[in-house]
Amino acid sequence: ETGVTQSPTHLIKTRGQQVTLRCSSQSGHNTVSWYQQALGQGPQFIFQYYREEENGRGNFPPRFSGLQFPNYSSELNVNALELDDSALYLCASHSGGTSINEQFFGPGTRLTVL
Amino acid sequence: DQQVKQNSPSLSVQEGRISILNCDYTNSMFDYFLWYKKYPAEGPTFLISISSIKDKNEDGRFTVFLNKSAKHLSLHIVPSQPGDSAVYFCAASDSLQGAQKLVFGQGTRLTINP
Repeated sequence: ETGVTQSPTHLIKTRGQQVTLRCSSQSGHNTVSWYQQALGQGPQFIFQYYREEENGRGNFPPRFSGLQFPNYSSELNVNALELDDSALYLCASHSGGTSINEQFFGPGTRLTVL
Repeated sequence: DQQVKQNSPSLSVQEGRISILNCDYTNSMFDYFLWYKKYPAEGPTFLISISSIKDKNEDGRFTVFLNKSAKHLSLHIVPSQPGDSAVYFCAASDSLQGAQKLVFGQGTRLTINP
């Protein structure tokens, strides 16, 4: 059973650019949630995907968008990058309907926007 | 609007003694609370949880206490070990929301001194 993996590990972009982050969910999990963790803060919920459909969204603007694929892997896309988008982006996977404490987090992608 | 707060950014405890990490919340709709532990370069890992219908849950060296009237929970680690040094996040969930989203506190960095 493989865990949650994310790519890339680190990324540097400039303001105004677009970025795509990737997440492979744990085997058997059909739900992926994305979180943004700014420096010195706790993770903040961006959105969740369940069976390829968005299933809840946090307080993030539309330039944050996502996809989930038939194999339940997921992408987070951010357009028109701003300096404040610099953060650790975490994805978490679990099976829909299971207890919330069975979310497993990946190691994150560190995004730096210059 | 910080619905989950961890007011101590850091805590230093002697090995073998008790570590107590605190967390306050404001949303009375939260019905499930979790503690996560995070090492550098890794994603948060689930530690222990408690339902709002309970006031205590114990798992080995870890005990979580919930005081609903005060909207306060705490994590006790006894005895503290050097490997417990990490950042600890308190998180809460409202199961009536469609998405199983977690609302995190800012984290407390625990350092266990030998």
